[in-house]
Amino acid sequence: DAGVTQSPTHLIKTRGQQVTLRCSPKSGHDTVSWYQQALGQGPQFIFQYYEEEERQRGNFPDRFSGHQFPNYSSELNVNALLLGDSALYLCASSSVSNEQFFGPGTRLTVL
Amino acid sequence: AQSVTQLDSHVSVSEGTPVLLRCNYSSSYSPSLFWYVQHPNKGLQLLLKYTSAATLVKGINGFEAEFKKSETSFHLTKPSAHMSDAAEYFCVVSEGNTPLVFGKGTRLSVIA
Repeated sequence: DAGVTQSPTHLIKTRGQQVTLRCSPKSGHDTVSWYQQALGQGPQFIFQYYEEEERQRGNFPDRFSGHQFPNYSSELNVNALLLGDSALYLCASSSVSNEQFFGPGTRLTVL
Repeated sequence: AQSVTQLDSHVSVSEGTPVLLRCNYSSSYSPSLFWYVQHPNKGLQLLLKYTSAATLVKGINGFEAEFKKSETSFHLTKPSAHMSDAAEYFCVVSEGNTPLVFGKGTRLSVIA
């Protein structure tokens, strides 16, 4: 079992650009959550997807959007990038047990 | 709304000595509490979780935590630190199906 995988590992963008991050959940998991971890901070919840629908959302602007595919994989899209969007983006997958398993993250740098 | 406060941003211990990482929580209902560890360039790994069963929770790698409702605390301990324990530790709270709420983290350094 490969666990939760994320791609790419690192990404550099400039202000105003758009970015797409990808996540494949652990085998058997149907729920994907995304978190933003700024430097020196704990992860903050962005949103959660289940059955291809956004089920819960944290306090993030509409520039942050997502998608879940029929195979349960997920994408996080961020439009009009700001310097403050530079962070480690973590994906977590879970199933009925609700225990979340985290991927290694994507490090996004906005210049 | 629930929240957690990790009382120390950095803890340094010598190898073989006890570890204590402190966490206080705020929750309106019966919370679920977790400790996660994050090694550099690795994902978050669950150490242990409390979900209203036994108040003393044993986790992986010799860690344990005690839920104290009267003190609203959930401190993480380990009797003897190992070099491989050096990492960032996060205390986390959740209520029912609400999203995980993380503390700011405590960096544990282990000195040889």
